[in-house]
Amino acid sequence: LAKTTQPISMDSYEGQEVNITCSHNNIATNDYITWYQQFPSQGPRFIIQGYKTKVTNEVASLFIPADRKSSTLSLPRVSLSDTAVYYCLVGAYSGGGADGLTFGKGTHLIIQP
Amino acid sequence: DAGITQSPRHKVTETGTPVTLRCHQTENHRYMYWYRQDPGHGLRLIHYSYGVKDTDKGEVSDGYSVSRSKTEDFLLTLESATSSQTSVYFCAISEPLAAANTGELFFGEGSRLTVL
Repeated sequence: LAKTTQPISMDSYEGQEVNITCSHNNIATNDYITWYQQFPSQGPRFIIQGYKTKVTNEVASLFIPADRKSSTLSLPRVSLSDTAVYYCLVGAYSGGGADGLTFGKGTHLIIQP
Repeated sequence: DAGITQSPRHKVTETGTPVTLRCHQTENHRYMYWYRQDPGHGLRLIHYSYGVKDTDKGEVSDGYSVSRSKTEDFLLTLESATSSQTSVYFCAISEPLAAANTGELFFGEGSRLTVL
């Protein structure tokens, strides 16, 4: 399983762009990178997934450099409601199973007024 | 939202008693998972299932057993609960081989278990 490293916590302010970087030096060729968001007392929720370059959806962007050893989740113009824990996962999904299902401790993002 | 129901949502029990948590899904997804979440540890995989009667261990499986007799239900059993098993337990489902699927995990609302 590819191991990931991300900051334990981050602070920002409303209206700012927030970038959370995840390191995954041992990523395998078949691995995808997936980010989840978790609010208190709730299960995690899928945000975005990518394999290489850049992926954007209505919530966030995911930047992946050519070597794929890291990835950056970008949240544009955050609000107080973006305060949550963000998890970076790396793994292959074609076969299911336990690959890519190690959540780690995540990054606790705190947004202030 | 994915149709995932966990029961009970809250339970207090005593050390040494058996406990069963149930996860019920209405999505017909093949894969089901049990995680536990503790402060400072994030989410850790306990067991998962890749089909009826097909299960495998995760990273923290000691003290837990699972069963899946039908697609929609995945049971997590603590044969003899200990205080170290006090935690919030999350069930998740996925369907990795669906067309254009991302392998996305859908989570239940969690079951808070306290072992005294």
